[in-house]
Amino acid sequence: GAGVSQTPSNKVTEKGKYVELRCDPISGHTALYWYRQSLGQGPEFLIYFQGTGAADDSGLPNDRFFAVRPEGSVSTLKIQRTERGDSAVYLCASSLRPLTGELFFGEGSRLTVL
Amino acid sequence: ELKVEQNPLFLSMQEGKNYTIYCNYSTTSDRLYWYRQDPGKSLESLFVLLSNGAVKQEGRLMASLDTKARLSTLHITAAVHDLSATYFCAVDISQAGTALIFGKGTTLSVSS
Repeated sequence: GAGVSQTPSNKVTEKGKYVELRCDPISGHTALYWYRQSLGQGPEFLIYFQGTGAADDSGLPNDRFFAVRPEGSVSTLKIQRTERGDSAVYLCASSLRPLTGELFFGEGSRLTVL
Repeated sequence: ELKVEQNPLFLSMQEGKNYTIYCNYSTTSDRLYWYRQDPGKSLESLFVLLSNGAVKQEGRLMASLDTKARLSTLHITAAVHDLSATYFCAVDISQAGTALIFGKGTTLSVSS
C-alpha cells in the first residue's frame, strides 16, 4: 500500500483480555516503530525494529507488552491482561532511513479497555 | 529524565497574524522534528532539523533549531484557517532517529 496500514482501527475489550494490534509498514521501509498516544498527549515511544529484530524496546511499559516482526515487514503489538490504563491510540510508523528521523505514521489503532 | 516542553499548549489566532510556537528540551540533542496532526488523523512530518542553526521553511511555516539553547521554534506567518491543527515537536534521544520524545503538542485554531 501507499502508506502505513494499521488494523483494527478500533478495538474495545474487557479488562484482563489479550489484544493484538497489527501494522503493515510502507513497502521497503526496514525501520518500524510503535508509539502510544493518550488523549491530549504527544506520542510515547514504545519499541523500534530494524528488520526483524527489536533494536530498542526501552519504551515498553512492562512485560505485558510485547511486539514481533518475524519477517521484517508486518509487525504485531501484543498486550496481555489488558488494564484500563492501556486505553490509548497505538500508532505505528515506518522509515526508510532512520538517521533522518522522518517517520511515516499510520492512522493508529484506538484501544479501549472497559 | 528528558523533558520536551511546548508553549503555548493552545493558541487561538486570527487569519493574517503571525505567531511563534516554542519547544524547549532538557537534554543534549541536535536532532529535532516537527509534526502536524489533524483531529482524528495521524501525524504528518513537517520539518527535520539535524544540526545547530538549522532553519527550514515550507509555505507559511518556518522552523529553526538552537541546540545550545535547547530550543526550537515554529513560526507561523500570515496564518490561514487550513493551518488549524495540533503541532508536535519531538527530540531524538537516540541520535540515530530511532527514539523520539514528543512534546504535548500545541493546538492551533485559526479563525477569520
